[in-house]
Amino acid sequence: AQKVTQAQTEISVVEKEDVTLDCVYETRDTTYYLFWYKQPPSGELVFLIRRNSFDEQNEISGRYSWNFQKSTSSFNFTITASQVVDSAVYFCALSSRAAGNKLTFGGGTRVLVKP
Amino acid sequence: KAGVTQTPRYLIKTRGQQVTLSCSPISGHRSVSWYQQTPGQGLQFLFEYFSETQRNKGNFPGRFSGRQFSNSRSEMNVSTLELGDSALYLCASSLAMGQGNIQYFGAGTRLSVL
Repeated sequence: AQKVTQAQTEISVVEKEDVTLDCVYETRDTTYYLFWYKQPPSGELVFLIRRNSFDEQNEISGRYSWNFQKSTSSFNFTITASQVVDSAVYFCALSSRAAGNKLTFGGGTRVLVKP
Repeated sequence: KAGVTQTPRYLIKTRGQQVTLSCSPISGHRSVSWYQQTPGQGLQFLFEYFSETQRNKGNFPGRFSGRQFSNSRSEMNVSTLELGDSALYLCASSLAMGQGNIQYFGAGTRLSVL
């Protein structure tokens, strides 16, 4: 069985502060992918990043960065210098070889960036 | 390139009725998946279609069904609607089957069952 846990339900920050979203996952598969999606008020889930289980290199893409640690089964996501437009619900998701394209989502973290 | 298109955006139905939701994937994408989003259960996988065949199914009752056409467009149907079926239904498309494919989502259909 797969499981994704996002312990933070809501985070409120002031513009230009950094925001780190936590994600912990469980899977028995050794081959899997992790994703972050953003859901603005319009409802559409917007793909942000993808990482596979064999690549623990952490990267930065613009204002986004992520920290993947297999030893702790965590895949944390950071928004640097947050902006009001970053206000949304952020979801961490997992897909594994056994589940194919099926995504297992965490409960989501609502981020509110105040001006 | 057009994104995933879902119609209608909003629906209001009454208990016992049935409903059909439509999804047009990104051009060239052959896999379509459906998800249900509710405040209580979060985002849950309904099913995936590829080459007009259901490839994977979530833990939902048989009242939830779907199909995919030769042009990869997909429909999902819910029969004998219950109040608990009120939700945002999201469709996602990807190039192929298999883990790791990036799924691109539509804006969803918000279904209200009265």
